[in-house]
Amino acid sequence: KAGVTQTPRYLIKTRGQQVTLSCSPISGHRSVSWYQQTPGQGLQFLFEYFSETQRNKGNFPGRFSGRQFSNSRSEMNVSTLELGDSALYLCASSQGQGGTEAFFGQGTRLTVV
Amino acid sequence: AQSVTQLDSQVPVFEEAPVELRCNYSSSVSVYLFWYVQYPNQGLQLLLKYLSGSTLVESINGFEAEFNKSQTSFHLRKPSVHISDTAEYFCAVTAASGGSYIPTFGRGTSLIVHP
Repeated sequence: KAGVTQTPRYLIKTRGQQVTLSCSPISGHRSVSWYQQTPGQGLQFLFEYFSETQRNKGNFPGRFSGRQFSNSRSEMNVSTLELGDSALYLCASSQGQGGTEAFFGQGTRLTVV
Repeated sequence: AQSVTQLDSQVPVFEEAPVELRCNYSSSVSVYLFWYVQYPNQGLQLLLKYLSGSTLVESINGFEAEFNKSQTSFHLRKPSVHISDTAEYFCAVTAASGGSYIPTFGRGTSLIVHP
């Protein structure tokens, strides 16, 4: 069974630009969650998509958005990038029920210069 | 809402010594508890979880954690660590019912095993 795949692994962008990150979940998983990981703030939940609908949302500005396609693949978009957006962005897929394990991708390392 | 506190940001230990990584949680509802491990440049992997039943849960690589409801803790232990255990460890909690099943993570504990 293939794991969670995130692309690209590394990105360097300039302030003010926008970026799109991609996540392919484990086959059969309908829930995809996104997290931002930084040394200062740890793991922070961005949002979760389930069956193409945003089901939960963390406390991030509207510059952070996402979507999920019918095949459960998900994309995350960040517009008007700021230096503080530099982070490891992790995607996790699961069956979307309490107690079930979240399977994480290797992440996309975004650097904003 | 749930919250997780990992009391130690870094735990240095010598190889073959025992280790305990501490985790305390707060929740108004019953919870499920998880420990995840993150190796450098990798995502998180599930180490072990407590859903119900026996309060002592074990992983395949020698780690164990005990759910203590009265102390709201889920500390992770290993009797003898190996160099390869060097990694970041995250405690996480979700609501068992009546709340969010989205995991809330602690800030992480960096386990550093010295030869």
